Amino acid sequence: KQEVTQIPAALSVPEGENLVLNCSFTDSAIYNLQWFRQDPGKGLTSLLLIQSSQREQTSGRLNASLDKSSGRSTLYIAASQPGDSATYLCAVPNQAGTALIFGKGTTLSVSS
Amino acid sequence: EPEVTQTPSHQVTQMGQEVILRCVPISNHLYFYWYRQILGQKVEFLVSFYNNEISEKSEIFDDQFSVERPDGSNFTLKIRSTKLEDSAMYFCASSVEGAGTGANVLTFGAGSRLTVL
Repeated sequence: KQEVTQIPAALSVPEGENLVLNCSFTDSAIYNLQWFRQDPGKGLTSLLLIQSSQREQTSGRLNASLDKSSGRSTLYIAASQPGDSATYLCAVPNQAGTALIFGKGTTLSVSS
Repeated sequence: EPEVTQTPSHQVTQMGQEVILRCVPISNHLYFYWYRQILGQKVEFLVSFYNNEISEKSEIFDDQFSVERPDGSNFTLKIRSTKLEDSAMYFCASSVEGAGTGANVLTFGAGSRLTVL
């Protein structure tokens, strides 16, 4: 059964810092990995999707990498801003490819 | 940009009452999902739906839950007899292809907050 773990659970940084969020998954036979952002009390916004054939994806100040063999992904946020404060969720498909399985998320707080 | 629409945004109900949560997926999407998130906890998969039938359901999705696509646009989640522990945010999602397909992105709605008293 696929399980997803995210560390750290929470992170506080001053504005301008570069930071890395970690995600690990138990079953490396995945087709893709998706990173989401969730603001308090709100829905999930897709940030990046990495296909299994790719090693990384970039969108603006965000860069996500994928190492399937070790069951790990990282989300790198450059030059953090207070507006980046949110919970970041990592998700991978289950073995049947019928659903996404989520980690508990990392709650990021960026202070000005 | 196309979006998934959910109604109501917030519903308060008494324990034992039936609740129907509604979703309008993106029009060209074929795969539909319901997830829930209890306050402070992780996003949990409930059910996936394709070609007018359930393709997978979790252990949470017991006989109290049902899903339906009553017409060409709506996708509903029904909870037959609500319990206190059903209080959560319920998210609908849709995708063009199955979750396990390489480039397939799941698009989520803003959620329906259910409060059971």
